[in-house]
Amino acid sequence: DAGVIQSPRHEVTEMGQEVTLRCKPISGHDYLFWYRQTMMRGLELLIYFNNNVPIDDSGMPEDRFSAKMPNASFSTLKIQPSEPRDSAVYFCASSLQETQYFGPGTRLLVL
Amino acid sequence: DQQVKQNSPSLSVQEGRISILNCDYTNSMFDYFLWYKKYPAEGPTFLISISSIKDKNEDGRFTVFLNKSAKHLSLHIVPSQPGDSAVYFCAASHGGTSYGKLTFGQGTILTVHP
Repeated sequence: DAGVIQSPRHEVTEMGQEVTLRCKPISGHDYLFWYRQTMMRGLELLIYFNNNVPIDDSGMPEDRFSAKMPNASFSTLKIQPSEPRDSAVYFCASSLQETQYFGPGTRLLVL
Repeated sequence: DQQVKQNSPSLSVQEGRISILNCDYTNSMFDYFLWYKKYPAEGPTFLISISSIKDKNEDGRFTVFLNKSAKHLSLHIVPSQPGDSAVYFCAASHGGTSYGKLTFGQGTILTVHP
């Protein structure tokens, strides 16, 4: 298996623009997680899905953030409008049980 | 409220010696613990885990110890190698409505010197 795939790997955008991050989980995994990593706050869980259904979105910082999982093999995390403080590395992870497997991350820079 | 804490931001060790990374937790509901390793510009990769019914789990050079009464776990790397230099995160989970969700510590930067 190719592992968790994320795109793009790097994104540079201007404040106010919409940003969409994409994730393809490992085939057969029924949990999908979105994390954000910053120097100040470390690795934060934003939202996670089970069988394509959002289970816990309490980590989503603001209404500007939204996530969807239209099917078992694809998820998006959208930020609209983006702000400079959203600059971070965003990770997607998937799992079948407790062990989560992470993608390589998307490094987002909002100018 | 930080439920999983790694109080040492960094650790420096000589090649061939033992590396000991520590992690404390506060939530007594946690019943499964994991260690992840992260290299720069990569996602965290799973290293080793332990269930709360055990107090030790070993995989090659890596051993995780769990002390439930102290709510403490540690990762031992013996012998340490320069390629082990990375950020190490401990994580914990419990079942029920939070099944599948991990709570991560802040990470410890391990540097192994040749």
